[in-house]
Amino acid sequence: GDKVKQSPSALSLQEGTNSALRCNFSIAATTVQWFLQNPRGSLINLFYLVPGTKENGRLKSAFDSKESYSTLHIRDAQLEDSGTYFCAAGGSNAKLTFGKGTKLSVKS
Amino acid sequence: AQTIHQWPVAEIKAVGSPLSLGCTIKGKSSPNLYWYWQATGGTLQQLFYSITVGQVESVVQLNLSASRPKDDQFILSTEKLLLSHSGFYLCAWHRGISAETLYFGSGTRLTVL
Repeated sequence: GDKVKQSPSALSLQEGTNSALRCNFSIAATTVQWFLQNPRGSLINLFYLVPGTKENGRLKSAFDSKESYSTLHIRDAQLEDSGTYFCAAGGSNAKLTFGKGTKLSVKS
Repeated sequence: AQTIHQWPVAEIKAVGSPLSLGCTIKGKSSPNLYWYWQATGGTLQQLFYSITVGQVESVVQLNLSASRPKDDQFILSTEKLLLSHSGFYLCAWHRGISAETLYFGSGTRLTVL
């Protein structure tokens, strides 16, 4: 099965609403990164996390290594938040394992 | 500030033809460098990584090879393209082996016909 499972696979939000994306890990993750891939394909790093939480503007992310999951909360969604969100688990080696992504569409 | 540049932006190639994609990092000495591949609508798959000049580790075999001829340069190549090589190729870097924040280039979109 998938080593990094993202949910939901797709999501449609009204502008101004809130939502949460989730990643579950079946591998031993020591770090998590969240990325946003825009429609042109560029990947923007949103968060790098060790166990704990981080906040940046309307985004907040948490990583629980014991329960093997991470979440990304989006508050007051804007049109420019649209794209595909990927989480990636980092272990003790140089490899990041990516999930399949959550495709987010924000509508006005 | 560090910048990462990938070339070309896009390629359309015939099956069986050779390929060379490039990536250059400026403003950072001895970065860890990575090649990722993404099928259309798919996830990212790490192909190769390199922590120093002349040293490249393969993660996934896709009939591709990589080389690091200079500290700031990473090359992805093959002598014979397959249809399955189509997709989006991304170069990335970070500072240390313990997976610090990963920064991506803008990618090369490859179509093999």
